[in-house]
Amino acid sequence: GESVGLHLPTLSVQEGDNSIINCAYSNSASDYFIWYKQESGKGPQFIIDIRSNMDKRQGQRVTVLLNKTVKHLSLQIAATQPGDSAVYFCAEPKGLNQGGKLIFGQGTELSVKP
Amino acid sequence: GAVVSQHPSRVICKSGTSVKIECRSLDFQATTMFWYRQFPKQSLMLMATSNEGSKATYEQGVEKDKFLINHASLTLSTLTVTSAHPEDSSFYICSARPGAWGGGYGYTFGSGTRLTVV
Repeated sequence: GESVGLHLPTLSVQEGDNSIINCAYSNSASDYFIWYKQESGKGPQFIIDIRSNMDKRQGQRVTVLLNKTVKHLSLQIAATQPGDSAVYFCAEPKGLNQGGKLIFGQGTELSVKP
Repeated sequence: GAVVSQHPSRVICKSGTSVKIECRSLDFQATTMFWYRQFPKQSLMLMATSNEGSKATYEQGVEKDKFLINHASLTLSTLTVTSAHPEDSSFYICSARPGAWGGGYGYTFGSGTRLTVV
C-alpha cells in the first residue's frame, strides 16, 4: 500500500554479501507485484516482477519471494555490488478499472560498502 | 526499449510563477501517463492519471487547479504547477504506459524533474 510521508529505512551491506529487502502489502487480493530500483536523481527502473500464482521468481542476481500467507514479499540481491546502491521499491498496479495506476510501497535505501 | 523523456531535469522558479514539465514517449504511444511527486527520502506519491484526450483523474488530496495536466497527444503529457510555492518544491516523475498491457515492463519512467521554488 501507499507509504506517503514515511522516511525510507536503510540497509547497509558489505560488497559481496547478499542483500534482502522486504515489503509488506495489505490487500490479500493483490495479484501482481513489481520491484523497482531508483538511483539518486533518476526515475525508477524495472527489476523483476511476480504474480500471485508464484512463490519465487529469479532473475540475474535477483530473486523475489512472495509469501501470500503473511502478505510479504522480498527482493534478494546476490553478491551485492557498489552499483546496487540505490533505493528499492515494491509496487503494485491497480486494476484497469483504476487506470492500471502503479502504487509504490515505502522503499528501502541500500548502501553497499566497498 | 521504451523510452520516456522528461524535461526539464531541473528548474528553479520564483514563488507565484507557473512551471510546465513535459513528458514524452519517444518510441511508443502512451495511452496512459502518470504523474508522481517525491519528497527527499520518501516514496513516490501518485498525483494523477491521464489518458490521451481525456481529463486527468487526480488522487485524493491533490489540487487539480494547482497541478494542471494535459495529455493532448499519444506521446506528450504536461504537468503545470501553477502559482508555485516553496512547499511545491519536490522531485516530479512521469510514467507512461502503452494501451496494451505489458506487465511490469509496460511502465516506463522519465528521469524526473527537480523543482525548486524560491
